[in-house]
Amino acid sequence: GAGVSQSPRYKVAKRGQDVALRCDPISGHVSLFWYQQALGQGPEFLTYFQNEAQLDKSGLPSDRFFAERPEGSVSTLKIQRTQQEDSAVYLCASSLRDASRNEQFFGPGTRLTVL
Amino acid sequence: KQEVTQIPAALSVPEGENLVLNCSFTDSAIYNLQWFRQDPGKGLTSLLLIQSSQREQTSGRLNASLDKSSGRSTLYIAASQPGDSATYLCAVRGGLDSNSGYALNFGKGTSLLVTP
Repeated sequence: GAGVSQSPRYKVAKRGQDVALRCDPISGHVSLFWYQQALGQGPEFLTYFQNEAQLDKSGLPSDRFFAERPEGSVSTLKIQRTQQEDSAVYLCASSLRDASRNEQFFGPGTRLTVL
Repeated sequence: KQEVTQIPAALSVPEGENLVLNCSFTDSAIYNLQWFRQDPGKGLTSLLLIQSSQREQTSGRLNASLDKSSGRSTLYIAASQPGDSATYLCAVRGGLDSNSGYALNFGKGTSLLVTP
């Protein structure tokens, strides 16, 4: 497609459930990022991929969060044993090449609500 | 840690006014700065990207400036329209964090309302 797509757009989970959020970056984009945006806040960095390699996962809040990009295109963010504090919008972004200089393009996000 | 602050947090102006949104950051060792627009319930739309070697960028009614040494950027919107109502986010890439080459560090945004 023309832009970054994410699915599902909305997800409601009961506390303790596992969830998987999908990101389809712009075709040919090497770099892929995940961010978490709490209500009323700016997005916070979670993790970064260059192709299939996860180069930085320093922003992942706990070991319940796991991300992968096995073939260097689609990425999945998995949250195990969800907690209420995980409720947020999860944004995916991609950029063409070198992440330090290129513009990041964002998807519409997945709004996760944990009950 | 790179801290990004946006002032004001909220702004309401009548249609047709020119306005300025402010962004400041604590670490001037940045690669670039990006301004985004976010509509309610939507993702982020990139408006302007300013590389560290540049001082300003323009797109239509928008003009963004960057003063890296003082850690400041402004987004100028000319002749505002109701359709400009949204949250405007400033983000910088770079600083002394371990992820400084990768991640964007965001402010909390300025919520803009342009009334007819």
